[in-house]
Formats: sequence, structure tokens, C-alpha cells
Amino acid sequence: EDKVVQSPLSLVVHEGDTVTLNCSYEVTNFRSLLWYKQEKKAPTFLFMLTSSGIEKKSGRLSSILDKKELSSILNITATQTGDSAIYLCAALTHNTDKLIFGTGTRLQVFP
Amino acid sequence: DAGITQSPRHKVTETGTPVTLRCHQTENHRYMYWYRQDPGHGLRLIHYSYGVKDTDKGEVSDGYSVSRSKTEDFLLTLESATSSQTSVYFCAIRGQGANADTQYFGPGTRLTVL
Repeated sequence: EDKVVQSPLSLVVHEGDTVTLNCSYEVTNFRSLLWYKQEKKAPTFLFMLTSSGIEKKSGRLSSILDKKELSSILNITATQTGDSAIYLCAALTHNTDKLIFGTGTRLQVFP
Repeated sequence: DAGITQSPRHKVTETGTPVTLRCHQTENHRYMYWYRQDPGHGLRLIHYSYGVKDTDKGEVSDGYSVSRSKTEDFLLTLESATSSQTSVYFCAIRGQGANADTQYFGPGTRLTVL
């Protein structure tokens, strides 16, 4: 059975801290890995990763895929209270074109 | 927001009643999806569509049916709602071109079945 596991489940930090969120996947015929941010509404797309070792960056957020380890990390540097959200990762497979989501990491950033 | 709207945004209904949720998109996307989101389970795929009148089941399709009679609308129906179907329902569309592997989500519908 295909599955995606995220860790930690929850994280509480202070503004200015750097955080690393983890995502591991076990899916057949892996195609790509996606990260989403979810505040009190719909998930919004952050990154899509298809190749190992290539870092995707957007401001203070960055992500890398490790296909050998079947995992990805999402880094957030100099966290702000606006980064408080649930971060979801999802794996896309070739054969089904369906996204398989992890249960998310809840990040809380306090001033 | 990829031009996706969902209606209603909130609904409270009673066990045994039929419920239809609507997803509407304005950008002619071929693929559309319905997910439910529950604490501890993340987002789970209910049904999806890959064109008008072309639909398929996801991992949690029992108790749900869908219809897509035109490109812009994807309807999710709970034939006889149960309390276990209390959830937040998200519609999504699949991107196109360079974004074809990405799904974009609508604002969600919060459904409560009493």
C-alpha cells in the first residue's frame, strides 16, 4: 500500500528559528513530490520536486528530494508568525496520477 | 486560486438526507478531484474525473457518487448522509502544461451530518 509519512506531527518554535520538516514516501512508480501549506483554508502549493538533489527555493523556504532515501525535507529559515500552518507533502505516482498525502506537520511560530 | 469555487461553503444536514456539493472551475481544466480532510488522516481522494462523463474512484469512495456533465462542474453526491461523512471537502483541479503534476485546491466545504 502506498503511503506518505511526515514528521514531526507538530512543532512549536519562536520567531527567527530555523525548522526542518520531514517527509518519507513508499509508493510504487514514484513520479514527483509536492509540498503544500495549509492555513485555515485550502492547501496552497509550495514546491514540486522530481529530481534528487535539486533544491527548490522560494524566499525563506526551500526543499530537497532524496530519491535514494525516499524522502524530502522542507526548510524554513528565520521563521515568522505567518509561517504558522499545517505543511502537507504528497507523492504523485506514474500509474495512477493520484496524489497520496501525508497527515501533515503542524507548525506554530510564536513571537 | 486557479478559478475554483465550491458551494455551499458550509452545510449542516441530518443523517439519511441526500447532499450534493458543487465544484466549479473557469479555466477549462480536464482533471478534477474530490478529497475529504479529517484530523489524523490528511487529505484522502474520494473520486476524480478526467473529462466530461469520465470519472473513477479514489481510496474512500464508498457512500459517494460523482457526476461531470460539463467541463466546468464536478458534483459530489452523498446519497444518504451519515455522521461519518462529517468532514471538510476540497475540490481540486490539475494544472496544465509545466504545472501538469500540480493540483490546486478550492476553498473547501465544511459538512456536518447530525
